[in-house]
Amino acid sequence: DGGITQSPKYLFRKEGQNVTLSCEQNLNHDAMYWYRQDPGQGLRLIYYSQIVNDFQKGDIAEGYSVSREKKESFPLTVTSAQKNPTAFYLCASSSLGFNTEAFFGQGTRLTVV
Amino acid sequence: AQKVTQAQTEISVVEKEDVTLDCVYETRDTTYYLFWYKQPPSGELVFLIRRNSFDEQNEISGRYSWNFQKSTSSFNFTITASQVVDSAVYFCALSEAGGYSGGGADGLTFGKGTHLIIQP
Repeated sequence: DGGITQSPKYLFRKEGQNVTLSCEQNLNHDAMYWYRQDPGQGLRLIYYSQIVNDFQKGDIAEGYSVSREKKESFPLTVTSAQKNPTAFYLCASSSLGFNTEAFFGQGTRLTVV
Repeated sequence: AQKVTQAQTEISVVEKEDVTLDCVYETRDTTYYLFWYKQPPSGELVFLIRRNSFDEQNEISGRYSWNFQKSTSSFNFTITASQVVDSAVYFCALSEAGGYSGGGADGLTFGKGTHLIIQP
C-alpha cells in the first residue's frame, strides 16, 4: 500500500538528548514536510524539502535539523537546543505545486522526561 | 503574511444535527488554494477538499458541503445529518502561489482547528 510511515509512534527523550524521528514515503512524491502540532495551536511548519539534498526552513526551524539523502526519506532530528520539544510531529509529502494536497503520516508523539 | 482563522475551538452537537465549521483566511496573493483536512483520534490528517481562488462554486459531496466566498475571505464547511464517526478535529489550510520560494510546494498554513464532537 502506498503511504507515509512515521516511526516510532511514541518517543521519550531525556533533557539534553538529540532524537531522530523517521519518515518514509513510497508515493514517489518530490516534496516532503515536517509539522509540529501543539494542543490548540494547529500545525506549524518546521522544515520542507522539494528535492533530494535540498531543504528549507519553515516557521519554527530553530532547534531542529533535517536531511534528504533519498527521495523516500526525510528524517527530523530534535536537538537539545529545542527548548520545548514535547509535541506531536507529523510528516507529510506531496507532488510539487501549491495546488496539490499533502498526504500525512500517523505522527510521532515526543515527550521529554 | 498569510493567516487562517478558525474561531470555533470546539463544537458539540447531537447526532443528525447539521453543523457548520467556519474558516476565514488572509492572503495578499491573488492565486491560492484552500483545503480542509480531518484529523481523527488516530492522528493522521485526511484530505477532504481543495478549492482554488478562481473557483467560487460551492461543492457538495454526500453529507459534506463547502461554501467559498472571496468577498468575505471565507471557506466554510457544513456537515449535514452529522454522525458519531464525524467526530474529529477539522483543519482549514491555505497554500499560496507565492509561498516561500515562489510557487513550489512550500507547505500549508493551517488554522488552529475545530474539535467537533458528535454525541449519540
